[in-house]
Parts: sequence; structure tokens; C-alpha cells
Amino acid sequence: DADVTQTPRNRITKTGKRIMLECSQTKGHDRMYWYRQDPGLGLRLIYYSFDVKDINKGEISDGYSVSRQAQAKFSLSLESAIPNQTALYFCATSDFVAVSSTDTQYFGPGTRLTVL
Amino acid sequence: GENVEQHPSTLSVQEGDSAVIKCTYSDSASNYFPWYKQELGKRPQLIIDIRSNVGEKKDQRIAVTLNKTAKHFSLHITETQPEDSAVYFCAAANTGTASKLTFGTGTRLQVTL
Repeated sequence: DADVTQTPRNRITKTGKRIMLECSQTKGHDRMYWYRQDPGLGLRLIYYSFDVKDINKGEISDGYSVSRQAQAKFSLSLESAIPNQTALYFCATSDFVAVSSTDTQYFGPGTRLTVL
Repeated sequence: GENVEQHPSTLSVQEGDSAVIKCTYSDSASNYFPWYKQELGKRPQLIIDIRSNVGEKKDQRIAVTLNKTAKHFSLHITETQPEDSAVYFCAAANTGTASKLTFGTGTRLQVTL
């Protein structure tokens, strides 16, 4: 879905370096999410934001921070990267409207991060 | 918090056969259950979802069933085709509170000729 983009698509870095992954969307959704995907572990939620002023930790937020610069932009930072943060990272947006509605999530293409 | 378990982790079927993937959830307040398909090297995409006020939903060759009492839901794919080969993820959420999805660990489906 070209409406959700991530940069960079691939990144190799060294232990201790600061890394920022960026996500942009043109879908006009308020809700944005960062997930991490590891083989056999599925998609695990790192952080999520329901609007520009709202930031919430997910199940695996340690070692990560986020910034919601605008409705359309949500960045994930690794302050001091370590090898076990090597993974595929996905940004997603959601079209949630009301309690009675569905909550389809639209994923970006992913960023493959390798920490040496 | 919510915990979603998914089985099996891998599934191999012959083309034309049916495939069933099962998930259980722990939070009885969850009311929304989507299924995502992730093809190799691609992003996850929604293929079907169901809300807790519905027991079954069908879309062509795929269907999802929900048993609220037992807290489990299943994905059924009939007449499987090679293009069905992918990783499938179930998820659960309570849209009445902080609506965030908890995903299962995924099932790799291989459809052989």
C-alpha cells in the first residue's frame, strides 16, 4: 500500500549507534503503530499513537522511543542499538472510527534493520 | 493484557484441499478478530475480519468462525491454490478501550501442487 511509506528500507548499523526509522502516511488516519517482526514471534507492538499528542508504550518498548511529529509522521528511534534489535520493523496506520467499527491496519513496506 | 495463541505454526496442504488455522485468546472483552496474510517479502494485509456479535463470516474461499464461549476463532481456506502460500496471522482487540491488536505468532501455509 503506497499510502504508508517507511525509510530507510534496509539499514545496517553497529552496536551503540543511534538509529531513526521514519514512517509517513497519506491516508489521513489518526492512529499509527510501530511493530517488530521476528521469526516465530509474530508481530509485536513497540509503541502506538492515537493522535499527535498521544503516545503509548506497547509490549516491547524498552530500548525504543518514538516521536509523532504530525498526523502523517511517526518516527521510531533506537537510542543505542544492540544486536538483539536486529529485526524487521513495520509501521502501520489504522482507520478506527468508533467502538462499533472495525480497525483495519495498513502496513508500510517494512524496514530491515541489522545491528552488528 | 491479551494473549493470542495460534496453531499450527506450519501447515502443508495439497492444492485443492482445505486449510484450517486456529487461534485462542485470553481476554473475554476482546470483540474484534482480524486475519492478516503476509506473502514472502511483503507487508501484512487484512484478508478478513469478524466482530464478536457474529459467529461466522465468509468471503469467497475464506471464512472465519468465532466461538466466544471457548474464546477461539479459526480461519478456513477452501480449494487452496498456490497463491494462498503465505504466513497468516490472527489478532484480537477490544475496540471499546485502547484498540490495539495483539497478534498470534503466525502460521506458514504451503500449498503444494
